[in-house]
Amino acid sequence: AQSVTQPDIHITVSEGASLELRCNYSYGATPYLFWYVQSPGQGLQLLLKYFSGDTLVQGIKGFEAEFKRSQSSFNLRKPSVHWSDAAEYFCAVGASMEYGNKLVFGAGTILRVKS
Amino acid sequence: DTGVSQDPRHKITKRGQNVTFRCDPISEHNRLYWYRQTLGQGPEFLTYFQNEAQLEKSRLLSDRFSAERPKGSFSTLEIQRTEQGDSAMYLCASSLRGYGYTFGSGTRLTVV
Repeated sequence: AQSVTQPDIHITVSEGASLELRCNYSYGATPYLFWYVQSPGQGLQLLLKYFSGDTLVQGIKGFEAEFKRSQSSFNLRKPSVHWSDAAEYFCAVGASMEYGNKLVFGAGTILRVKS
Repeated sequence: DTGVSQDPRHKITKRGQNVTFRCDPISEHNRLYWYRQTLGQGPEFLTYFQNEAQLEKSRLLSDRFSAERPKGSFSTLEIQRTEQGDSAMYLCASSLRGYGYTFGSGTRLTVV
């Protein structure tokens, strides 16, 4: 079965510093991979997704992620973090059902930004 | 396009009571999903509708849970005889195809 591991529960970075959030997945075939962001009490906003092609994908808000098949990873990066990036970040892998598609999420990483 | 709407945003109920949540998807989206998110965890899939047909249900969806999507428009999720373990954020999402999900802001349920 598909699974996603986000090894870091909390990460704290200084404003302006670079950020990397780790994500490892388990999936037999070529995965569909996603990063979502969730602000407190809010729903999920899609940052970026990987389906195929270029392994470095660009997303919204200056985020990017790199798919590495050999490492089963899809890490999220941002070169310079802003205070408004403080939120919880979820990595997810797409999983086909008999009908439709579902997302399997990791447990999330809470990002704190210090000024 | 006003996005996916969920109502209510917050619900506090006593254990044993029944609760019902509503989700209004994006109007042209024929696929609708319910997910549950407990504290410190990522969302977990509960059930999936394509138009009015409920095509997938997770084992997480016990007999106390029922979901409907009459006429393929809005959807309701009902929990009967609520338990403290039902306390969670219930998220609805809709899509037109594939993984093009749009999530609502969720309904936070607290069972006391």
